[in-house]
Amino acid sequence: SAVISQKPSRDICQRGTSLTIQCQVDSQVTMMFWYRQQPGQSLTLIATANQGSEATYESGFVIDKFPISRPNLTFSTLTVSNMSPEDSSIYLCSVEDRDGSNEQFFGPGTRLTVL
Amino acid sequence: GNSVTQMEGPVTLSEEAFLTINCTYTATGYPSLFWYVQYPGEGLQLLLKATKADDKGSNKGFEATYRKETTSFHLEKGSVQVSDSAVYFCALRKDRDDKIIFGKGTRLHILP
Repeated sequence: SAVISQKPSRDICQRGTSLTIQCQVDSQVTMMFWYRQQPGQSLTLIATANQGSEATYESGFVIDKFPISRPNLTFSTLTVSNMSPEDSSIYLCSVEDRDGSNEQFFGPGTRLTVL
Repeated sequence: GNSVTQMEGPVTLSEEAFLTINCTYTATGYPSLFWYVQYPGEGLQLLLKATKADDKGSNKGFEATYRKETTSFHLEKGSVQVSDSAVYFCALRKDRDDKIIFGKGTRLHILP
């Protein structure tokens, strides 16, 4: 398994500002994933981040709105840019199991409220 | 495409009741199947998994059996506790090159 931490755990932000969320893993991983969970909803994949390459975004998500960095094998950031109240969600970082299984492990999430 | 359908909540039970949360899936081949749990204010935790037909995943008193013939992976627990109150997500993944597909989640309330 992997131990994943996220910062901040929660934040309240003003419309039009940006927030950068950090994800730290206790081991080296190839792929990291960022998800959004809107209130009362399931998880939606935003993008997949591989170290040393551009992140791959899912339909409906763009790099200008959700820029991602992946500077090394244990760390990634997701920025939510020019926020609006519709961006209020929980944002979760996830990594794959290293032993070749199909499992994914999730961080505790960042609960974002945009006023 | 691949999809997961799980029973809508909320589900409200009394402590020590029997729990079933239904989950069915649509996918080609033999995906891996998962149940994740999200306790209030927390992220997702893997509860159990099964990787091939007739496998039974189990953890913390919860069980789910991979039924290929009915494309189902229902979650069961014989005697629920108040501490089991959470949102439960059924999920599937074909292989490591595919993204994981989640159901919409089922909120479970256990009354003392």
